[in-house]
Amino acid sequence: EAGVVQSPRYKIIEKKQPVAFWCNPISGHNTLYWYRQNLGQGPELLIRYENEEAVDDSQLPKDRFSAERLKGVDSTLKIQPAELGDSAVYLCASSLGRGTDTQYFGPGTRLTVL
Amino acid sequence: AQSVTQLGSHVSVSEGALVLLRCNYSSSVPPYLFWYVQYPNQGLQLLLKYTSAATLVKGINGFEAEFKKSETSFHLTKPSAHMSDAAEYFCAVSDGSQAAGNKRTFGGGTRVLVKP
Repeated sequence: EAGVVQSPRYKIIEKKQPVAFWCNPISGHNTLYWYRQNLGQGPELLIRYENEEAVDDSQLPKDRFSAERLKGVDSTLKIQPAELGDSAVYLCASSLGRGTDTQYFGPGTRLTVL
Repeated sequence: AQSVTQLGSHVSVSEGALVLLRCNYSSSVPPYLFWYVQYPNQGLQLLLKYTSAATLVKGINGFEAEFKKSETSFHLTKPSAHMSDAAEYFCAVSDGSQAAGNKRTFGGGTRVLVKP
């Protein structure tokens, strides 16, 4: 069974440029999460989807970040414009969504903003 | 609100020695607790989880953790370290409710270095 797929794996951009990350969750997983992991820290939830609905986006900086999950499968996270402080690893995870179901993480996209 | 504190951002152990990673949590409801491992340039992989059944939880790769409610702790151990255990380890807490969407709150991580 394929795991969570993310692309690109690495991205280097200059500040004020836009950037987008893509995630394909495990087939059949209704719940999708985007996390941001700053260097030397644990992941922090940005947004959670149940199917195509964003049900928890309280930690998403909505002035510059946006996300979508069309058709309840793949998801895209966008930053526009990027700032220096956005440099981090962006992790996507998916789960069946019930209670303590295991969250399966993708390898992440490492973003460097210059 | 829930939180996790991992004591020690770096731990160095000799190959064959005991690995002990400390995790303390704060939760207003009975918690569900998790340990994850992250190898360089990879995502997080679940090692084990406590979901209110047995307090001693066995996971993959020879790791285990014990839930101690009185100490609000969930320390991770492995009797004998292997070179392949060098990685970063994260403790996480959840209230387990579907309403909260299986949300995890992670600790800051502990990086393990294994010396030959």
